[in-house]
Amino acid sequence: DVKVTQSSRYLVKRTGEKVFLECVQDMDHENMFWYRQDPGLGLRLIYFSYDVKMKEKGDIPEGYSVSREKKERFSLILESASTNQTSMYLCASSVGTGYGYTFGSGTRLTVV
Amino acid sequence: GQQLNQSPQSMFIQEGEDVSMNCTSSSIFNTWLWYKQDPGEGPVLLIALYKAGELTSNGRLTAQFGTTKKDSFLNISASIPSDVGIYFCAGQSNAGNMLTFGGGTRLMVKP
Repeated sequence: DVKVTQSSRYLVKRTGEKVFLECVQDMDHENMFWYRQDPGLGLRLIYFSYDVKMKEKGDIPEGYSVSREKKERFSLILESASTNQTSMYLCASSVGTGYGYTFGSGTRLTVV
Repeated sequence: GQQLNQSPQSMFIQEGEDVSMNCTSSSIFNTWLWYKQDPGEGPVLLIALYKAGELTSNGRLTAQFGTTKKDSFLNISASIPSDVGIYFCAGQSNAGNMLTFGGGTRLMVKP
């Protein structure tokens, strides 16, 4: 089974810090995604990538950037963390159209 | 971005009861998926549907791909406490690789 691994389950960061959330998948999937999940708002897409060094903005990219230097790794960067970025962050990958996503276990980020 | 209309938003049921939830869309999707998210974890795929009218089961779970391609349904029979979690529907078109998610149904089961 494909595995999507997020480097941290829980993170606490201070306002203004630069934060890196790492995601690695082990099944050679082309597509990778970052979502945030907040109560009552469902899953909101931040950024996605269809290939190495390729990135596309999702629905809520403001305050975030991403990096995909290798096919298996997709990093989400909070350039200057703010308290409204406190959330559950989910990484996912997929092999292509018609296939579902495989999600990581999530990173619960608290910005204080 | 577009979201699917998923209902109900939450359910609090007695153990042993059957559960039904659904998703509707204004757009056609060629694939419907149902995920479950346990508390503190990421969503896990339960059932995938690829054909209009298709009915697929996974244990006590049964999902259907609506004939109009604009809706899908998930039923859980004889609920147990470990069914607790958030259930998400997702639709996928052939236009690209993106999934469109429903807002989720939070299921709580009283022993």
